Amino acid sequence: QVQLQQSGAELVKPGTSVKLSCKASGYTFTSNHMNWIKQTTGQGLEWIGIINPGSGGTSYNVKFKGKATLTVDKSSSTAFMQLSSLTPEDSAVYYCARNYGGYSELDYWGQGVMVTVSS
Amino acid sequence: DIRMTQSPASLSASLGETVNIECLASEDIYSDLAWYQQKPGKSPQLLIYNANSLQNGVPSRFSGSGSGTQYSLKINSLQSEDVATYFCQQYNNYPNTFGAGTKLELK
Repeated sequence: QVQLQQSGAELVKPGTSVKLSCKASGYTFTSNHMNWIKQTTGQGLEWIGIINPGSGGTSYNVKFKGKATLTVDKSSSTAFMQLSSLTPEDSAVYYCARNYGGYSELDYWGQGVMVTVSS
Repeated sequence: DIRMTQSPASLSASLGETVNIECLASEDIYSDLAWYQQKPGKSPQLLIYNANSLQNGVPSRFSGSGSGTQYSLKINSLQSEDVATYFCQQYNNYPNTFGAGTKLELK
């Protein structure tokens, strides 16, 4: 069965970076795109961007350009998102979610990872 | 960005009732719309895609309709396990955007 297993909760200091992981199993990793979504109580769900694991090609929400960097490691079927120059506004739950091709529904989601930015 | 206006923000209904949730897109999204259910502490789960296609394993009491800019999710015969927050999402254009959510509670 398809599973997206995300890394554990992070408590990080302002101004630093954090790298989140999303390990895929139960399907061919390069056959689907991987999306990243931010969820906060105030802003709801925000789409950060998408990566094609086969080509490494990415597309970002302009709002998150410079903040998020998406990469993959095909050998371990793992997608990564690095968040840089963290501020308290980056505190949120972050999800990875796959879809088939760039313009389609998100059919499987990871369990989410809470990132807390605090000094 | 395409704006998704979802209503109502919250909803209280009785067991067995029929519930409707609406989503209005700021421009035509050509039925590139999905509905998700999210329970507290859990990730969103796909219910409906392409505006009216039921995802495998989702109970048939859930249905979606609409076209152009107006879409709706209908839940027939509300069950206790349907208590959750529901979101719409458009994937016609980047960035994908979501509605603000509808919190469904039991009366």
